[in-house]
Amino acid sequence: GEDVEQSLFLSVREGDSSVINCTYTDSSSTYLYWYKQEPGAGLQLLTYIFSNMDMKQDQRLTVLLNKKDKHLSLRIADTQTGDSAIYFCALETGANNLFFGTGTRLTVIP
Amino acid sequence: DAGVIQSPRHEVTEMGQEVTLRCKPISGHDYLFWYRQTMMRGLELLIYFNNNVPIDDSGMPEDRFSAKMPNASFSTLKIQPSEPRDSAVYFCASSIRNTQYFGPGTRLTVL
Repeated sequence: GEDVEQSLFLSVREGDSSVINCTYTDSSSTYLYWYKQEPGAGLQLLTYIFSNMDMKQDQRLTVLLNKKDKHLSLRIADTQTGDSAIYFCALETGANNLFFGTGTRLTVIP
Repeated sequence: DAGVIQSPRHEVTEMGQEVTLRCKPISGHDYLFWYRQTMMRGLELLIYFNNNVPIDDSGMPEDRFSAKMPNASFSTLKIQPSEPRDSAVYFCASSIRNTQYFGPGTRLTVL
């Protein structure tokens, strides 16, 4: 079955860039997603990338997809304290179903 | 649109009691998902529906759990009887095409 791995924790200083990584085993996904979860809240869709793309940029967010290495990353430029949250990568597994990674807790140090 | 609505937001109950969690998906969405989130197991898919029909319930932990979707605008997840190990945050999500939108979750505590 699908296996999606993320580092559990990441700390960065305010103003620096954050890079959150995700590796996966099943390469058949058409869409790959990044979700953000703030404390006490549900998961919020941040962005997604279509599998035939290598990169997608959306304001401070840059998603990179390396299909050969089965590696997905999310770069947050100029990280702010409000970016502190848990970030989940998710892969579409068919029939609108998603398989979520373990989540990376990002802490932004003022 | 108000987004996915879940109720209650918090539920505290005693072991053995019946618990019913409710979800109103985003209007027009044809898929509905129930997830459970715990520190130990992360985010787990319990069951999902397409056009009100259950498609895959293989994630439902045991027979104490049941889910229904009587119409396109309402779904319930029921636990009977509840046990302390059911304590978790339960999320409902809905989607059209491929993107899922999550509700705020119900935090369930079973004493």
